[in-house]
Amino acid sequence: GNSVTQMEGPVTLSEEAFLTINCTYTATGYPSLFWYVQYPGEGLQLLLKATKADDKGSNKGFEATYRKETTSFHLEKGSVQVSDSAVYFCALTKSGSARQLTFGSGTQLTVLP
Amino acid sequence: GAGVSQSPSNKVTEKGKDVELRCDPISGHTALYWYRQSLGQGLEFLIYFQGNSAPDKSGLPSDRFSAERTGGSVSTLTIQRTQQEDSAVYLCASRHPGLAANEQFFGPGTRLTVL
Repeated sequence: GNSVTQMEGPVTLSEEAFLTINCTYTATGYPSLFWYVQYPGEGLQLLLKATKADDKGSNKGFEATYRKETTSFHLEKGSVQVSDSAVYFCALTKSGSARQLTFGSGTQLTVLP
Repeated sequence: GAGVSQSPSNKVTEKGKDVELRCDPISGHTALYWYRQSLGQGLEFLIYFQGNSAPDKSGLPSDRFSAERTGGSVSTLTIQRTQQEDSAVYLCASRHPGLAANEQFFGPGTRLTVL
């Protein structure tokens, strides 16, 4: 079956530090890959996505590249801000009519001023 | 409304009671999903609706769980004879059939606590 393995948290960084959250997946075929973010007290929001190999998703300074050869979709940001403190979830969907999301376990990020 | 809404936002119930959770998807979104977010299990898929039918119920944990959708819009997730392990945040998401990359929009969730 499909699965997503995500870097264990929590992660604590100082403002302006570089962020990497690792994500690897197992799936047959060609899944679409996503990063969702959950800010404190809010619902899940799509942060970025990639639908095929070598695609780079980007949003709000975050980036992730779909690497089929390493089955990875690592999230990066060059300079984090306090407002980036949240829980980050890596996820995938398979093609087909249902397209339900399979999530990683989530990584709690805290950015200190 | 502009987004997915869910009600109630919080529900506290006693073990053995039945509960109903409601989801109002974004207008025009024919696909609707229920997920559960719990400390021990993370985010798990429960059920998928396309219109009013549920072609994928594979994530429902037991026969105490059921869901329906009417008018291709509102959905209700029912948990009968609740157990303490049902305590979790229940999330609803909807998706427009024409959107690329299968983007799902999530509601704020219903936090269920079973005492």
